[in-house]
Amino acid sequence: GEDVEQSLFLSVREGDSSVINCTYTDSSSTYLYWYKQEPGAGLQLLTYIFSNMDMKQDQRLTVLLNKKDKHLSLRIADTQTGDSAIYFCAETFSGGYNKLIFGAGTRLAVHP
Amino acid sequence: ETGVTQSPTHLIKTRGQQVTLRCSSQSGHNTVSWYQQALGQGPQFIFQYYREEENGRGNFPPRFSGLQFPNYSSELNVNALELDDSALYLCASSIDRVEGEKLFFGSGTQLSVL
Repeated sequence: GEDVEQSLFLSVREGDSSVINCTYTDSSSTYLYWYKQEPGAGLQLLTYIFSNMDMKQDQRLTVLLNKKDKHLSLRIADTQTGDSAIYFCAETFSGGYNKLIFGAGTRLAVHP
Repeated sequence: ETGVTQSPTHLIKTRGQQVTLRCSSQSGHNTVSWYQQALGQGPQFIFQYYREEENGRGNFPPRFSGLQFPNYSSELNVNALELDDSALYLCASSIDRVEGEKLFFGSGTQLSVL
């Protein structure tokens, strides 16, 4: 089946690290994504990882992939108030066209 | 700025009516996908069009239909609106239709059905 699960809410102090977790179901997914959505805005692609990788780092963002457990995480170092948003994990659908399957999103709140 | 624009930004309709949402993709993007995002949920795939043909569809009834035009514009049409159709509708364009091709999302149309 198609299911991507995320915890719904995370609260962190400014300057701390944030870790957002996700589990997915399709072991055939080639790519896994993290998107950010701010109020009233569309989806902004933050980063992605190929399924044959374990880790990817991009400035303050670190993505870890455990393919055996179908677990994906996004770490944001030195979290700032501007990072407050909803973060979506998504997997690609291995059915021959470009479809993304999204989780319900994790709302990240950053407080002083 | 993704280069994908959607109109209108907000829309209010009543149950049973029909609605057309519009999307303008980046030049050269041959694929457009539409997603429905209900309040508090992640986006759900409606369908994808490639070179003016539907080539993939999610779990949505036939009253959801689309059109893609050669000038990189597209439409999402919903007939016989239901209350549960209230959602943010996102379009996303990409150069090609293959799995993993980068998607560029618009800011969405917020549809309210009363």
